[in-house]
Amino acid sequence: EPEVTQTPSHQVTQMGQEVILRCVPISNHLYFYWYRQILGQKVEFLVSFYNNEISEKSEIFDDQFSVERPDGSNFTLKIRSTKLEDSAMYFCASVWGTTSLQYFGAGTRLSVL
Amino acid sequence: DAKTTQPTSMDCAEGRAANLPCNHSTISGNEYVYWYRQIHSQGPQYIIHGLKNNETNEMASLIITEDRKSSTLILPHATLRDTAVYYCIVTGGTSYGKLTFGQGTILTVHP
Repeated sequence: EPEVTQTPSHQVTQMGQEVILRCVPISNHLYFYWYRQILGQKVEFLVSFYNNEISEKSEIFDDQFSVERPDGSNFTLKIRSTKLEDSAMYFCASVWGTTSLQYFGAGTRLSVL
Repeated sequence: DAKTTQPTSMDCAEGRAANLPCNHSTISGNEYVYWYRQIHSQGPQYIIHGLKNNETNEMASLIITEDRKSSTLILPHATLRDTAVYYCIVTGGTSYGKLTFGQGTILTVHP
């Protein structure tokens, strides 16, 4: 079964450093998402991406965050200057069409020290 | 998206059916009911969805009341591996795609 792949599985960084989280969505999918989950809290929507542009973003997704689909397969989330409160699991998801049947990756655990 | 209400936690014996309820009294006509689950800290996993008819797949059944104000996810023969947080999410209409997760129901399946 096709799956969404995220790398790395765990990223440790110092406060103020830039991080890039990588995702390879399922190949024929057209809509891409990033969510995050702070430990012990609920899963929160960050951003959706379609046709090479952001289609929706949450209040969390401020100027420190950016997304990119640099080639036909990768989908990345960049945090420019990490803060302690950015420590969380980050999940990438993709979907083929205008449906909410999303396929999630296993996540990247980001630890900001 | 319509708000959903789920019990915080439920228990189920292994091999028995697990019935997880969800209230979504403000659901609108073009909104779907989706169920996802999250095992430990893994990525959420799609289970099933429906609009107004009952649905069944290899994982579960979804029963939606006639007025669509509530639904029940049924895992017919729960196993220990079904222990997870189960999320009922109403979405669709003009806000398709984005999923708004609540706290969900922690289902514990015990031997």
